[in-house]
Amino acid sequence: SQQGEEDPQALSIQEGENATMNCSYKTSINNLQWYRQNSGRGLVHLILIRSNEREKHSGRLRVTLDTSKKSSSLLITASRAADTASYFCATVLIASYGKLTFGQGTILTVHP
Amino acid sequence: KAGVTQTPRYLIKTRGQQVTLSCSPISGHRSVSWYQQTPGQGLQFLFEYFSETQRNKGNFPGRFSGRQFSNSRSEMNVSTLELGDSALYLCASSPDRPYEQYFGPGTRLTVT
Repeated sequence: SQQGEEDPQALSIQEGENATMNCSYKTSINNLQWYRQNSGRGLVHLILIRSNEREKHSGRLRVTLDTSKKSSSLLITASRAADTASYFCATVLIASYGKLTFGQGTILTVHP
Repeated sequence: KAGVTQTPRYLIKTRGQQVTLSCSPISGHRSVSWYQQTPGQGLQFLFEYFSETQRNKGNFPGRFSGRQFSNSRSEMNVSTLELGDSALYLCASSPDRPYEQYFGPGTRLTVT
């Protein structure tokens, strides 16, 4: 079963706009990660945020984590057409080895 | 470093047959995880191996099995294939828990 729920399921924006995706999960976690997948290919790791962190940045990416609400958000600033992909949040539970539990993903389309 | 490689990339099998998929992790990574991705169920964890030992297992029937060799390469086997086993099978490697995972391009299995 899926640990996380992502919102929205699909997002369509213009180049230059910001894109925000949200993820909620059900149980206590060790960390939460975001991945990108292009057209059914392998996943690419974007960012990892630990349970004791509240915000993290990487380039145009900003991730927040609210453990009290069991939710996270991924913000992509100044989106580009190349950002078009599916984005997944994945949680790692405490004392869970090598297991990512994925949400259903958000399909992001950035129009040139 | 070379990325995670998976062979074969595409496979067509008949119901009732068995299949073996192979994964070579990034050099130095001792953890290998396997995932199944389908449109209906999304990304689901199959199992994880670390130093030739299975540390974690998902909720899949016993027809799905795996192993890891001393060089960290891993194989997964699916016996008595069913139509519902058609999926993208992804392998990921990691230095260890609870780090980010690096995914291969996947093996697209079609069962007819």
